[in-house]
Amino acid sequence: KAGVTQTPRYLIKTRGQQVTLSCSPISGHRSVSWYQQTPGQGLQFLFEYFSETQRNKGNFPGRFSGRQFSNSRSEMNVSTLELGDSALYLCASSLGGTGNNSPLHFGNGTRLTVT
Amino acid sequence: AQSVSQHNHHVILSEAASLELGCNYSYGGTVNLFWYVQYPGQHLQLLLKYFSGDPLVKGIKGFEAEFIKSKFSFNLRKPSVQWSDTAEYFCAVRDNFNKFYFGSGTKLNVKP
Repeated sequence: KAGVTQTPRYLIKTRGQQVTLSCSPISGHRSVSWYQQTPGQGLQFLFEYFSETQRNKGNFPGRFSGRQFSNSRSEMNVSTLELGDSALYLCASSLGGTGNNSPLHFGNGTRLTVT
Repeated sequence: AQSVSQHNHHVILSEAASLELGCNYSYGGTVNLFWYVQYPGQHLQLLLKYFSGDPLVKGIKGFEAEFIKSKFSFNLRKPSVQWSDTAEYFCAVRDNFNKFYFGSGTKLNVKP
């Protein structure tokens, strides 16, 4: 079974630009979550999508948005980039059904650098 | 809001030393507990998980963790570490709403 695939692996953008990151979950997984990882901060939860609906949301500003498609693939968009948005963005998928004990399976991440 | 605390940010051990990494969480309801590991240059991988039953769970590569409900803790242990265990370790909790909370991570450096 293929793992979680994130594209691109690396991105360099300038302040004020916007960026879209993509995530393909493991086949059969309906939940996709996004995390921001920075040194010393650990993993900060951005949002989770399940069956094309945002089910959970973290405490990030509205510049961070996402969506999920009918095939469970997900995209994350960050608008008006700031220097502080430089981070590793991780996508994780799981089966996600109510009461399901499936753990998260992570992709390799997209390393975003904002200059 | 739920929080997960990992008290050790950076641990340095010699090979064959014993390891214990602390993890405490704040949620009072039913939780699922996880430890993830991130080896240098690799993605996060599941080390072990606790859902219910025996509070002592065994994971891959000789790791184990003990769930102590009264202490809201889920500490990770390994009796004898190896150089290949050098990695960053993350404790995570999932609440009743399927929301995951991660600790800030502990970097383990094992000296050969």
